[in-house]
Parts: sequence; structure tokens; C-alpha cells
Amino acid sequence: DAKTTQPPSMDCAEGRAANLPCNHSTISGNEYVYWYRQIHSQGPQYIIHGLKNNETNEMASLIITEDRKSSTLILPHATLRDTAVYYCVYGQNFVFGPGTRLSVLP
Amino acid sequence: EPEVTQTPSHQVTQMGQEVILRCVPISNHLYFYWYRQILGQKVEFLVSFYNNEISEKSEIFDDQFSVERPDGSNFTLKIRSTKLEDSAMYFCASISDRTGGNSPLHFGNGTRLTVT
Repeated sequence: DAKTTQPPSMDCAEGRAANLPCNHSTISGNEYVYWYRQIHSQGPQYIIHGLKNNETNEMASLIITEDRKSSTLILPHATLRDTAVYYCVYGQNFVFGPGTRLSVLP
Repeated sequence: EPEVTQTPSHQVTQMGQEVILRCVPISNHLYFYWYRQILGQKVEFLVSFYNNEISEKSEIFDDQFSVERPDGSNFTLKIRSTKLEDSAMYFCASISDRTGGNSPLHFGNGTRLTVT
């Protein structure tokens, strides 16, 4: 099973950038890394994914290290509504770890 | 934007009863998944389904569980004889194609199953 390591929790001030790290050292060369978030008990919401290059969309940016063993999700201007559990995921079964509980503070 | 829909949003059942959770995946998607999340715990993979058969399943997906795609639109999870520990949120998900790995998995908003 795919294994990821993330800090269990992080705080971020509203309006500041939130940088969420993930280690995925066992990812193989052709596997994408995906980021999801879960607000309360809703279904996981897709945020962004990437293979080798850094990616950006309307929600976030994704920085992937050159060796692909880790990545960082960046929420450039965090809002209170970004408070959620964030997961990095890879592998064809999209196996979820415990994730990072991000608290955005006013 | 198309989405995965699940019904019912909340199901209450008595221990030992059979329950069927229903999902309508996104229409052009080919791979279907079920996950569960016990309150306060992580999202756990149960099973993946492709071309009318199970692709992979986890240790959780024992003989009490089964999945079916009874028609061209629905995807169901059946629990034959529910136990108290089956109480959880159950999420259905679908993906258009996973062969290249460049497609995200889309989740429904889940069915909360309560076994009493």
C-alpha cells in the first residue's frame, strides 16, 4: 500500500500562506501525487495533482521535489473556509493516510 | 460540473440486517471505488471495480461485503449482516481512467450508516 507521512496538525493565520508538506518516498516514477481535503465529514475534495513539475490552479500550488520523494501544497492566502484535513495520496487505489488538520485562525 | 451522488445520506439499520448503499458515479467514468471512514478516523479503501468485476479489495472487504453495478448508472455496496462496527461514513468515488494515472478520483458526499 502507498504510504505517506504528513504532520498531524498545523495552524495558519488568515490571509497568510499555508504550506503543507508530505513525504511520499516510496512513490514510483510514473505515479502522480494527489492532494485532497475533507471538511467535517464531507467527501474528500480534489485540490490538485502533479507528476514532476510544479502545478498551480485556482485553489492551490503544488511543489514537488526533484527526487519526487516529497511535495508541498501551498494555499497562497488561507481563509477560514480552508480549515480542513488535507491529504496527499498516490497509487491506483488512492490510499489515504491520517492527513494534516489545518486550522486557519482569524 | 458532474458529480458523484450517493443515497441515502443517512441510513439507520439494526444489527444483523442487510443494507444497500447506492451511488451514481460520473457518467463517463470507468473505475468505481468504495471507501469508509469511521468517526474520527482516516478514510479507508474498501474496493475498486472495473469492467463489472472487482479490481482490488482491502482486508476490510470481507465476505459480508459485496458490490454490484446492476445497470449502466448505479454502483452499489451491500453489507449482508451489519455489525455495530460497520457504523461509519461510506464514500463512493469514480475516475475516468487510471491507466495513465493522470486523472483525479471524484468522491460523493457519503452515506452515514448507523447500526443500532
